[in-house]
Amino acid sequence: SQTIHQWPATLVQPVGSPLSLECTVEGTSNPNLYWYRQAAGRGLQLLFYSVGIGQISSEVPQNLSASRPQDRQFILSSKKLLLSDSGFYLCAWITGNTEAFFGQGTRLTVV
Amino acid sequence: KQEVTQIPAALSVPEGENLVLNCSFTDSAIYNLQWFRQDPGKGLTSLLLIQSSQREQTSGRLNASLDKSSGRSTLYIAASQPGDSATYLCAVRLNQAGTALIFGKGTTLSVSS
Repeated sequence: SQTIHQWPATLVQPVGSPLSLECTVEGTSNPNLYWYRQAAGRGLQLLFYSVGIGQISSEVPQNLSASRPQDRQFILSSKKLLLSDSGFYLCAWITGNTEAFFGQGTRLTVV
Repeated sequence: KQEVTQIPAALSVPEGENLVLNCSFTDSAIYNLQWFRQDPGKGLTSLLLIQSSQREQTSGRLNASLDKSSGRSTLYIAASQPGDSATYLCAVRLNQAGTALIFGKGTTLSVSS
């Protein structure tokens, strides 16, 4: 069966510290992978998407970056976190014309 | 630019009521539309997927319709239960390529017993 793993579930980081969030999928190959952020009172904002290894498209210029070192691994990073990076980060995948599946999310609080 | 709007933003109903959640989108050239459920602090759970060539999809007490030409979709929940309390999100996908889902801000449903 197809599953998606995201970790950690919660994270508290000081301003200026680095960030690495990881997402892996199982049970599918060559998925499109996505990172979204959900801030309080706002909708889901698309941050990055990838259609293949090493292929990253950025939707919103900001303090974050993404990488896809393997077919089923998607990583969200930052060199120096800002307070405004706080939010709920969600990873998702889609294959072909199927429905999108989401991970359980990471709650990031920058203090 | 595609925009997705969900009305109402919040809804409170007593248990047993049938209810309708609305979703509208500005550009009718969509690939498919998907309804999700989100519980507080959790990820998104897919409820129903409607391809652009379809008019409706059903799963249990849920029925989603799609009128692509008018840019509208509805999610009908029959005989609501307290366990249905959650935020319901509508999202449209523009094409089969890498472009992602564009979401509405959701409708937060509260069903009282």
